[in-house]
Parts: sequence; structure tokens; C-alpha cells
Amino acid sequence: DIQMTQSPSSLSASIGDRVTITCRASQSIDYYLNWYQQKPGKAPKLLIFAASSFHSGVPSRFSGSGSGTDFTLTITSLQPEDFATYYCQQSYSSPPTFGGGTKVEVK
Amino acid sequence: QVQLQESGPGLVKPSETLSLTCTVSGGSINNYYWSWIRQPPGKGLEWIGHIYNSGSTNYNPSLKSRVSISEDTSRNRLSLRLSSVTAADTAVYYCARHSSPMTTLTIWGQGTLVTVSS
Repeated sequence: DIQMTQSPSSLSASIGDRVTITCRASQSIDYYLNWYQQKPGKAPKLLIFAASSFHSGVPSRFSGSGSGTDFTLTITSLQPEDFATYYCQQSYSSPPTFGGGTKVEVK
Repeated sequence: QVQLQESGPGLVKPSETLSLTCTVSGGSINNYYWSWIRQPPGKGLEWIGHIYNSGSTNYNPSLKSRVSISEDTSRNRLSLRLSSVTAADTAVYYCARHSSPMTTLTIWGQGTLVTVSS
């Protein structure tokens, strides 16, 4: 299985901050990398697919980049509704695997 | 719009079989891939497997010997069965839709908590 490693596992930030979350794959996954947002008690929601493509309705303050083994999710100006846990997931090979998550908390 | 709703027993005894249903409304289950994913309390996400057009399934090797996913197209729903459960199978179970075997999970159900305990 391809291992997905996210960092940091948690971070504290303030409204308006720029936030960057990284995800590293144990082998090259080309651009087959998705990002999800999960709030407590809710299902994950797709934010970014294919490393940098926006899912429908996702605000433009979210962006994704990277290819191969190293990927980044950036939130350019953190909003109150962005406090959540973010997961990366590779869809390059089966089984699809997820990173351990990054919890974005209020500073 | 398409909505997914998981249902089933919230409590299952060890060694028994966990059975869940995902009912799809607002669209047909035909010609889409449907995955099951689980999340133990306070932990990360694990993909269980998927089904496509009833006849094609793909399971996580870590669960393959115990898992079965099926579709009921007449009722527009899919099912998950996980046998010989232990406490380690306690989790919120989600169903989700994707459009290709490349598992980009675009629509999720709300999830249902299953606790394995005697």
C-alpha cells in the first residue's frame, strides 16, 4: 500500500492567516491526490482533486499543488468555517489510502 | 441532488457479522462507483472497498477475507457486510460515490456509528 504522511498533525492559526499543509506519498502518485475537509461529527467533503483542481463550490482561498510525492494544501486567508481536520488521499493505486489528518485549530 | 443515507444496527456483538445499507436518493446507482469507508472514533479514514454496476468489486486487501459489498438496483441501495467483527471494527461507516475507479470521493453519506461490543 502507498503510505501518505501529512504534516503537521495539528496547527493553531488565526482568522486571516495563511495556512499550509503538506502531504507526502511513499512513492510517486503522479497527480492523483485529493484533499478533504472534515468537521466534527460530519462526513469529509472533497475540496481538491487531481492535486490542484477545485471541486464544485469550493472557495478560491483553497488551493492545491504538487506532483509525484510531495503535495501542498494552502488556505490563503483562514476563515472561521475553515477550522476543521484536513485529509489527503491518493487515488493512484488500490487500495486508496489517506493521510493521518491535520487539525486546524483556533490560535 | 444526490443524497446517501447509511443505516443499520448500531451495536454488533464480537464474532458476528456487521450489515449496513446505503440508500441513494436523487439519482440512480447505475454507472457510478460506490465505496465504503470507515473511521474509528478519533482516528483517520480507511477505505473498505467499492462496487460498480453490481458485478465489479474491489476490496482493501486488509479486509478482503471478511468483507462483501453488493448492490440492489431495484431499491437503489448498496450493502456492506463485514464478518467476524472485533472491537477494532468499531467505527463510523460511510458510503460515498465516485465516477471512476480512481477513487475521488465526491459525495458522502452522513455516516453511521457501529460499535462492536458484547
